[in-house]
Amino acid sequence: AQKVTQAQTEISVVEKEDVTLDCVYETRDTTYYLFWYKQPPSGELVFLIRRNSFDEQNEISGRYSWNFQKSTSSFNFTITASQVVDSAVYFCALSEAGRGGNQFYFGTGTSLTVIP
Amino acid sequence: GAVVSQHPSWVICKSGTSVKIECRSLDFQATTMFWYRQFPKQSLMLMATSNEGSKATYEQGVEKDKFLINHASLTLSTLTVTSAHPEDSSFYICSASSGTGVGAKNIQYFGAGTRLSVL
Repeated sequence: AQKVTQAQTEISVVEKEDVTLDCVYETRDTTYYLFWYKQPPSGELVFLIRRNSFDEQNEISGRYSWNFQKSTSSFNFTITASQVVDSAVYFCALSEAGRGGNQFYFGTGTSLTVIP
Repeated sequence: GAVVSQHPSWVICKSGTSVKIECRSLDFQATTMFWYRQFPKQSLMLMATSNEGSKATYEQGVEKDKFLINHASLTLSTLTVTSAHPEDSSFYICSASSGTGVGAKNIQYFGAGTRLSVL
């Protein structure tokens, strides 16, 4: 079974629009970690955020915000006022403390295209 | 901080030759390094996990004799693709972390990847 599901394969938005990337996860661990990474066309994965399972506070960082809801096992990522530089593939990932917290389960990624 | 350097970024080789890819953590000690393979427009597939000074742990279906991993120091891991064939052509990405979940040590920082083309 897929531990991390990113149902949106591709999304296109016009610059300055807001966009939300969905991530749904599955785990039996009570302690786990959720991550978002950005992979621009250059290929390097850029770390965006880590959230542990005990911290359900939403987080905002500039134009980026994350909504963590344990009740729905979701960790969604919103980009406000999108820009062309936001065009990339975004991956959501899960690691479980029961396995040492090191091994990542990646979603299949969402390819975001921001049209100027 | 948390920079991971991967070299080379692109390599083309003839079938049957071996290729070595280096992964270095530049500003932190990486107790654990990971090697992934990514096919076009697909997610990352974990190949193996290596801890400094010990043998790598390979994922099911990954040939350890084909993909040799060495983690000789806390800042360097290498992946050698032995006797490469066209089907080994792919994008290989390494990552490094400084530890397990305590604090933020299990954050994986990624290298820029290596595109391997085997002719």
